[in-house]
Amino acid sequence: NAGVMQNPRHLVRRRGQEARLRCSPMKGHSHVYWYRQLPEEGLKFMVYLQKENIIDESGMPKERFSAEFPKEGPSILRIQQVVRGDSAAYFCASSLLRLAGDKETQYFGPGTRLLVL
Amino acid sequence: KQEVTQIPAALSVPEGENLVLNCSFTDSAIYNLQWFRQDPGKGLTSLLLIQSSQREQTSGRLNASLDKSSGRSTLYIAASQPGDSATYLCAVRSEETSGSRLTFGEGTQLTVNP
Repeated sequence: NAGVMQNPRHLVRRRGQEARLRCSPMKGHSHVYWYRQLPEEGLKFMVYLQKENIIDESGMPKERFSAEFPKEGPSILRIQQVVRGDSAAYFCASSLLRLAGDKETQYFGPGTRLLVL
Repeated sequence: KQEVTQIPAALSVPEGENLVLNCSFTDSAIYNLQWFRQDPGKGLTSLLLIQSSQREQTSGRLNASLDKSSGRSTLYIAASQPGDSATYLCAVRSEETSGSRLTFGEGTQLTVNP
């Protein structure tokens, strides 16, 4: 059973370009979470999605960032008109069910490292 | 709002030492607490998960404790090895957010010198 997959692993963009980050959850998982890790900082929650629904986007910047998790295909985190401050590692995690019990957790992918020149 | 703090930010020890990493959280209403390891440029590896009803969990040379009422957890590493060098992250799932996210500390960067 493959784990959470993210691609690309590294992405370089110039200021003003668009960045698209992809996340394929573990097989059978229908809940996806995105986190961002800025240099020298911990991971910060961005958004929680279920198939075709955004459940919680309270951690997303108000502008330029969007996320989707379509019925078919991977979850996409999209950053429009990137700026240098967007340079970070973006991690995706998935879970089988909506996390309700104390034994449940999320499984993390390897991350996409975005560098904005 | 849940906040997680890890002390120390960095730690350097000689090989063979036993060591303790500390994690504290402000809201004791949690589902569980988890310790992760992160190697440079890599993803997160889950080490131990402690349910809110548990006091500790053990895996090999690692032992994690949880004192939910005081908002504290420790990760104890016995007989440290150079291969233990990594950043250790503590994260909690809070009832505040219906357990829909993990709140992470900023990590402790551990270096074990041969």
